[in-house]
Amino acid sequence: GAVVSQHPSWVICKSGTSVKIECRSLDFQATTMFWYRQFPKQSLMLMATSNEGSKATYEQGVEKDKFLINHASLTLSTLTVTSAHPEDSSFYICTQGGGVVNYGYTFGSGTRLTVV
Amino acid sequence: QQQVKQSPQSLIVQKGGISIINCAYENTAFDYFPWYQQFPGKGPALLIAIRPDVSEKKEGRFTISFNKSAKQFSLHIMDSQPGDSATYFCAASQGFQKLVFGTGTRLLVSP
Repeated sequence: GAVVSQHPSWVICKSGTSVKIECRSLDFQATTMFWYRQFPKQSLMLMATSNEGSKATYEQGVEKDKFLINHASLTLSTLTVTSAHPEDSSFYICTQGGGVVNYGYTFGSGTRLTVV
Repeated sequence: QQQVKQSPQSLIVQKGGISIINCAYENTAFDYFPWYQQFPGKGPALLIAIRPDVSEKKEGRFTISFNKSAKQFSLHIMDSQPGDSATYFCAASQGFQKLVFGTGTRLLVSP
């Protein structure tokens, strides 16, 4: 079945620095990737939709200049948290646009970001 | 408004009992309704999913019941086991576009 590889699985960074999270679709071409954020004991909230070769679509309230999304190829989408602050500490997870290969959505394993 | 409302927020069930989690949606264009199981520190894992042309789907101990007219769907976990203790999310999407998640239910199955 479809596999989405997400790296890193966890990262600790200093406040003010930037962190890049990668999601790779290993055995299929993902034209669309969805990026979610999950705070402790909360649900998954969609941050943005990345489309290969075009600008990402951000959900209301998500700062596009802070959360940079790049989807330059059909197999790689990246999320960069710029000038990270402690309130950005969260679990970030990607999922490929569903129905492509395995009739559903395939999630990455998630990235636990801690900003100190 | 694309919301999915989920209840209860938490649930305690004895081993061997039936766990029931309910969800309601508003957008009648939704055509895919999955349930996910999530353990602490892990990503969500698909349990079972249903399309609106089916009223019920069963896979092992997990069953989805779907009521299109009421815009509701539920997850039943039969013979609940301690290993089922996790957080469960319902979700919905249209045309396999963005998934909208429910608020989650923390299930604890007591031994």
